[in-house]
Amino acid sequence: SAVISQKPSRDICQRGTSLTIQCQVDSQVTMMFWYRQQPGQSLTLIATANQGSEATYESGFVIDKFPISRPNLTFSTLTVSNMSPEDSSIYLCSVQSSPGGTKTQYFGPGTRLLVL
Amino acid sequence: GQQVMQIPQYQHVQEGEDFTTYCNSSTTLSNIQWYKQRPGGHPVFLIQLVKSGEVKKQKRLTFQFGEAKKNSSLHITATQTTDVGTYFCAGPEAGNMLTFGGGTRLMVKP
Repeated sequence: SAVISQKPSRDICQRGTSLTIQCQVDSQVTMMFWYRQQPGQSLTLIATANQGSEATYESGFVIDKFPISRPNLTFSTLTVSNMSPEDSSIYLCSVQSSPGGTKTQYFGPGTRLLVL
Repeated sequence: GQQVMQIPQYQHVQEGEDFTTYCNSSTTLSNIQWYKQRPGGHPVFLIQLVKSGEVKKQKRLTFQFGEAKKNSSLHITATQTTDVGTYFCAGPEAGNMLTFGGGTRLMVKP
């Protein structure tokens, strides 16, 4: 299974500022995914980060608000730009692995963001 | 696009009682996966079901995939306080993406 770490684990930010979240995986993976989980809600995919190309964003998410970097096969960053209180969420980095043919999603511990 | 719905949204049970959560997809699924998220934690993969009508067990947990591969259930027998958390089902969309259900939050009273 993949081991994923995220930094920071939590942060409290002021409205209008930006925060960059880092995700490190212990093995090389083709695709990394960024999810948002608002309080008490399910997981919503923000974008898929591909190494060597631009991220693919889901409906409702745009690059200007959530720029993503993917400099190599083990690392990615997600920036939450010009934050507002509505951006308060848990942001989760995720990768897929296929142990024994099962395509399984592994999640990082998440970054808990509170915007004041 | 594909929609995955779960019921109930919340469930309070007394320790020792059984618990079931149901998952329904708007489209036929190639497989369905179940995840558990403990309070303050992140989702952790539990199991994948692939075949129509498949039933799999993990100790007190029984997972079932419907014959039409559009619905699934997770049943926990004799719940314990360690079962507390939110249970999500997820089905694959085109490509590699998973669509997650809304989750069922289980609370167990000791």
